[in-house]
Amino acid sequence: ELKVEQNPLFLSMQEGKNYTIYCNYSTTSDRLYWYRQDPGKSLESLFVLLSNGAVKQEGRLMASLDTKARLSTLHITAAVHDLSATYFCAVPPRSPGSNYKLTFGKGTLLTVNP
Amino acid sequence: DVKVTQSSRYLVKRTGEKVFLECVQDMDHENMFWYRQDPGLGLRLIYFSYDVKMKEKGDIPEGYSVSREKKERFSLILESASTNQTSMYLCASTFYEGLYGYTFGSGTRLTVV
Repeated sequence: ELKVEQNPLFLSMQEGKNYTIYCNYSTTSDRLYWYRQDPGKSLESLFVLLSNGAVKQEGRLMASLDTKARLSTLHITAAVHDLSATYFCAVPPRSPGSNYKLTFGKGTLLTVNP
Repeated sequence: DVKVTQSSRYLVKRTGEKVFLECVQDMDHENMFWYRQDPGLGLRLIYFSYDVKMKEKGDIPEGYSVSREKKERFSLILESASTNQTSMYLCASTFYEGLYGYTFGSGTRLTVV
């Protein structure tokens, strides 16, 4: 059974600081997705990471994927209040018949304080 | 942009009612999914469909059924709604292999009273 662990689950940052959210998963997969969710809203796609070594950046967020270590990171640079949200990573298993069902981490609730 | 549209943002239903949640996507995606999201439990897969009339159970299918008569539409059915089915329901779709990511609908917050 695929397990996805995010840490930390809660993150309180000051504006201007840097931090990294980690996403570990338990079985083989060659892709990973990051989502953002604002309170009461649905999931917004941030990054689609499709291969080992993939790195993508959008604004103050950068995501990377190491499929050998089964690890993805979401790095936040110079945080601003608008980044406050819950961030999820999601992984599909690479097994026959999986049909790409996503398994989600529990989410990281990020609060950026002035 | 791909759009996944869920028919209702908020629903209030009575215990025992049959409830239909509708999801429509406009990009010819093969795969469609229904998740529910609850505080402390995260997102859990209820059912998914990889083709018209094809469906598979997810992790928590009990009390639910689904219907996919057309490629663009995936319906979640609560046969007899119960209070423990109060939740946020999210529909998602993707092309085969998820190469372009998974797109989520805006969600339906269902309250069963």
